Amino acid sequence: DIQMTQSPSSLSASVGDRVIITCRASQTVNTYLNWYQQKPGTAPKLLIYASYSLQSGVPSRFRGSGSGTDFTLTVSSLQPEDFATYYCQQSYSTPWTFGQGTKVEIK
Amino acid sequence: QITLKESGPTLVKPTQTLTLTCTFSGFSLTTSGVGVGWIRQPPGKALEWLAFIYWDEDRRYSPSLKNRLTITRDTSKNQVVLTMTNMDPLDTATYYCAHNTAEVDWGADYWGQGTLVTVSS
Repeated sequence: DIQMTQSPSSLSASVGDRVIITCRASQTVNTYLNWYQQKPGTAPKLLIYASYSLQSGVPSRFRGSGSGTDFTLTVSSLQPEDFATYYCQQSYSTPWTFGQGTKVEIK
Repeated sequence: QITLKESGPTLVKPTQTLTLTCTFSGFSLTTSGVGVGWIRQPPGKALEWLAFIYWDEDRRYSPSLKNRLTITRDTSKNQVVLTMTNMDPLDTATYYCAHNTAEVDWGADYWGQGTLVTVSS
């Protein structure tokens, strides 16, 4: 299995802050890297696929980058609705493993 | 409009077999480049990928659970069924089904609402 490691596990930020979450794969996943947002009690929502492609309807303040083993999710200006848990997932080879999640909390 | 919905028991006893059904609409599971997968999430924990079935009936499983899982489809009913044998309290989780497509490099672009399954005697 490809192991996905996110950092940090949690962070506190204020509205308007720039937030960066990193995801590292234990072996190359090329650009088969997806980012999801999950709010309590709801299903995850696809934000970014193929490392940097914005899913339809997702605000442009979300940006993904990276290839190979190292990836980042950047939120350029955090909004109140962005406080949630974020997961990376590789879809390069099955099992399509997830990271352990990064919880973004209000400072 | 693509929708998915999970159904099945909310409570199962240890050692029993769990059967979950994902009923979907808005797409066909015979269309090339499409698939449906199952993901679970124990309370307060991370997402765990379980199994996937492609449009061509290719099936993939989590290696750690492969001996316990079976994924099947019924295209006439627009359903995907996941069975998990020998349930244990550690299998208590919310189980999600999701639509995946090659158009988004196999990301899960549509999800069901999830169903909480508790394993307890």
